[in-house]
Amino acid sequence: NAGVTQTPKFRILKIGQSMTLQCAQDMNHNYMYWYRQDPGMGLKLIYYSVGAGITDKGEVPNGYNVSRSTTEDFPLRLELAAPSQTSVYFCASSYDEMNTEAFFGQGTRLTVV
Amino acid sequence: GQNIDQPTEMTATEGAIVQINCTYQTSGFNGLFWYQQHAGEAPTFLSYNVLDGLEEKGRFSSFLSRSKGYSYLLLKELQMKDSASYLCAAMDSNYQLIWGAGTKLIIKP
Repeated sequence: NAGVTQTPKFRILKIGQSMTLQCAQDMNHNYMYWYRQDPGMGLKLIYYSVGAGITDKGEVPNGYNVSRSTTEDFPLRLELAAPSQTSVYFCASSYDEMNTEAFFGQGTRLTVV
Repeated sequence: GQNIDQPTEMTATEGAIVQINCTYQTSGFNGLFWYQQHAGEAPTFLSYNVLDGLEEKGRFSSFLSRSKGYSYLLLKELQMKDSASYLCAAMDSNYQLIWGAGTKLIIKP
């Protein structure tokens, strides 16, 4: 019963460094999402994918990149980290885009200093 | 623009009932979701409404009025473990979720 597995849980980056947040799901879900959650704000969609090989920008994609080479994995790449990217990042998956619940990973708390 | 409004914080007493309101404005509408998020944890699904009316699920119920752009989450027989943030999210015409900032619910003994 792994569900959505997200790594790492915590990370501190220096300005200008790069990193990849890993996300994997074992529920054979087509849809996968990356969100960021800032204090006092709603979840903001960074990128999403409707299936392997297909990705699309969400509301706040600048400074991030994604890939979806398999159904299971949806890594998020941060290039040239900036303090504005300090946030909690959540990966989520759902069977489709309609009335189905999304399952979330445990989150990555990222600090850029 | 698209917007979700919900109270920032509410306080209630163990054993009581609390209603958390949410108003939304979206480009098109494909349903209203409620999620629960305990501090430091991931959101977990509570309910989905797409038709007007009340959906009951155990101690939790969710109501939707599409004409008013309004929903509420009703929690009965409050328990200490219900202390959490409750996130309202509306799905727009592109099937994208627009999220509210969440309502932090504090339960007092």
